[in-house]
Amino acid sequence: SQQGEEDPQALSIQEGENATMNCSYKTSINNLQWYRQNSGRGLVHLILIRSNEREKHSGRLRVTLDTSKKSSSLLITASRAADTASYFCATDLQSGAGSYQLTFGKGTKLSVIP
Amino acid sequence: NAGVTQTPKFRVLKTGQSMTLLCAQDMNHEYMYWYRQDPGMGLRLIHYSVGEGTTAKGEVPDGYNVSRLKKQNFLLGLESAAPSQTSVYFCASGTVLYNEQFFGPGTRLTVL
Repeated sequence: SQQGEEDPQALSIQEGENATMNCSYKTSINNLQWYRQNSGRGLVHLILIRSNEREKHSGRLRVTLDTSKKSSSLLITASRAADTASYFCATDLQSGAGSYQLTFGKGTKLSVIP
Repeated sequence: NAGVTQTPKFRVLKTGQSMTLLCAQDMNHEYMYWYRQDPGMGLRLIHYSVGEGTTAKGEVPDGYNVSRLKKQNFLLGLESAAPSQTSVYFCASGTVLYNEQFFGPGTRLTVL
């Protein structure tokens, strides 16, 4: 069963605009990650946020985590055509010493129009 | 570093045939994973390994077997392929400390 669910399923914006994607999950986590997948390629890790963190930045990416609402958001600022991809959140299953399984959502398909 | 590599990239099988997908990583990672990705389903974990000589079942293990004889390799086998196994298969590796996973480019498998 899937732990994380992204929203919206698809998002289309103009180049230069900001893109926001959300992820909700069901059970307690150690950390939450975001991955990007370009069409026909493997997933690429973007950012990891731990359960005791509320916000994290990496370049044009900003991730927030609200453990009380069991939700996270990924903001891409000043989007570029190259940001066109599917974005997945992944959560680990809290399992004591050394969790090693991730569960992925179904993804948000982002299209950035030049 | 080549990272995570997968062979083959594409394969077409007939129902009942068998095949092995090979995953190799050169990052000395302890953990390796096999996922399948189907339209509208996201990624689902098939099997994983926490070290050389160990394997464990994931969410959708039926119809698949795996082996981790060497730390750098993780093999996924289909003994008797079925059309329901038509999918894109991804291998990944990682360390337990940060949980970040590194993915291979995928194998597109079609079972007729």
